[in-house]
Amino acid sequence: GENVEQHPSTLSVQEGDSAVIKCTYSDSASNYFPWYKQELGKRPQLIIDIRSNVGEKKDQRIAVTLNKTAKHFSLHITETQPEDSAVYFCAASSEKLTFGTGTRLTIIP
Amino acid sequence: NAGVTQTPKFQVLKTGQSMTLQCAQDMNHEYMSWYRQDPGMGLRLIHYSVGAGITDQGEVPNGYNVSRSTTEDFPLRLLSAAPSQTSVYFCASSYYDPRTGVRSYNSPLHFGNGTRLTVT
Repeated sequence: GENVEQHPSTLSVQEGDSAVIKCTYSDSASNYFPWYKQELGKRPQLIIDIRSNVGEKKDQRIAVTLNKTAKHFSLHITETQPEDSAVYFCAASSEKLTFGTGTRLTIIP
Repeated sequence: NAGVTQTPKFQVLKTGQSMTLQCAQDMNHEYMSWYRQDPGMGLRLIHYSVGAGITDQGEVPNGYNVSRSTTEDFPLRLLSAAPSQTSVYFCASSYYDPRTGVRSYNSPLHFGNGTRLTVT
């Protein structure tokens, strides 16, 4: 089955700086890679996703890159704001959606 | 649309008791799934279904049963609760595109608000 590794587990950045979270996956058949944001006590919510036929996708301050050869993908958040503080999960999908273990991002004002 | 509705929000059980966590969606999604979330372990798939009458095991299925008699509902049953099942449970659904192949998945998951279960 699929195995997704996510790093780092915790990340603190100064407000206005960029944050990068990285994930690797094991199953070369995986073709869909979403990122979810989970605020404290809330449900995970999709923030961006990318499919295997695309190398990069951007939505305002958030971007995701995918390297199929190396089997890794990354989330980039620019100009971070206090409301970006949350736990972020990557996931990879072939037959089932497998999640990484999460990154707790803290934005320091 | 209410989206994905889970009940109850909180539950406390004694070891050995059984219960059913309810999940319903009104988006006509074929794919439904149950995850458990534990600190430091992310979201782990318990069971999933790609349509009425079809269910399959995920990563951590032991101690849980599911059924899918309708497109809308996907209840999760704990047969004999154990302290190791203390967790937050999320139900999630999505559109399922059969063009990607049997049991394939490639569209966003919509999560319910979760059920916090404590087994003493």
